[in-house]
Amino acid sequence: DSGVTQTPKHLITATGQRVTLRCSPRSGDLSVYWYQQSLDQGLQFLIHYYNGEERAKGNILERFSAQQFPDLHSELNLSSLELGDSALYFCASSVGVGSRAFFGQGTRLTVV
Amino acid sequence: DAKTTQPPSMDCAEGRAANLPCNHSTISGNEYVYWYRQIHSQGPQYIIHGLKNNETNEMASLIITEDRKSSTLILPHATLRDTAVYYCIVRAFYRDDKIIFGKGTRLHILP
Repeated sequence: DSGVTQTPKHLITATGQRVTLRCSPRSGDLSVYWYQQSLDQGLQFLIHYYNGEERAKGNILERFSAQQFPDLHSELNLSSLELGDSALYFCASSVGVGSRAFFGQGTRLTVV
Repeated sequence: DAKTTQPPSMDCAEGRAANLPCNHSTISGNEYVYWYRQIHSQGPQYIIHGLKNNETNEMASLIITEDRKSSTLILPHATLRDTAVYYCIVRAFYRDDKIIFGKGTRLHILP
């Protein structure tokens, strides 16, 4: 158990819908990272938050947005969902920027 | 883009040491070498990291060459549960905002 909690574990939704994925970092960790992994694809970096502030963006679509709240949990919002958005979404947390990160077990999103 | 080069796949017999190489010829002086692994769609798992000295923990050993341009992750007694994709990543401590994963090495442990 990495100490990073992601909910829900599985999510099935229809095209055009909007979903919210939640990540609770390890106690004391200020950084949260989000990743997308499509079937048999690599881990694609989406976005990084540190202590509530956005630090870096990767290949994140405009339909996707994220935020980190004062209690340090983070949410990834995916809207106008398409079939191609079906993937595993992972979050990771670390104490600071550049330190070792611990990953959650992911949310499997299926868009039908 | 990932700053490391790894072989796409490797085999290792169960019980033997698995030695996974990684080239990072453009590594900077303040960049650490990190290793993670991902076991079949689970979240990536941190294994070990180092700057220039060899490191060992309960999971593995990390050997970094003196010029720091390459490293080897050693799993001393591989088991079937070590079958996974292993990722070698270089990151600057307290500076890099992203963790960029390459394609990694798919390690098959053979019974």
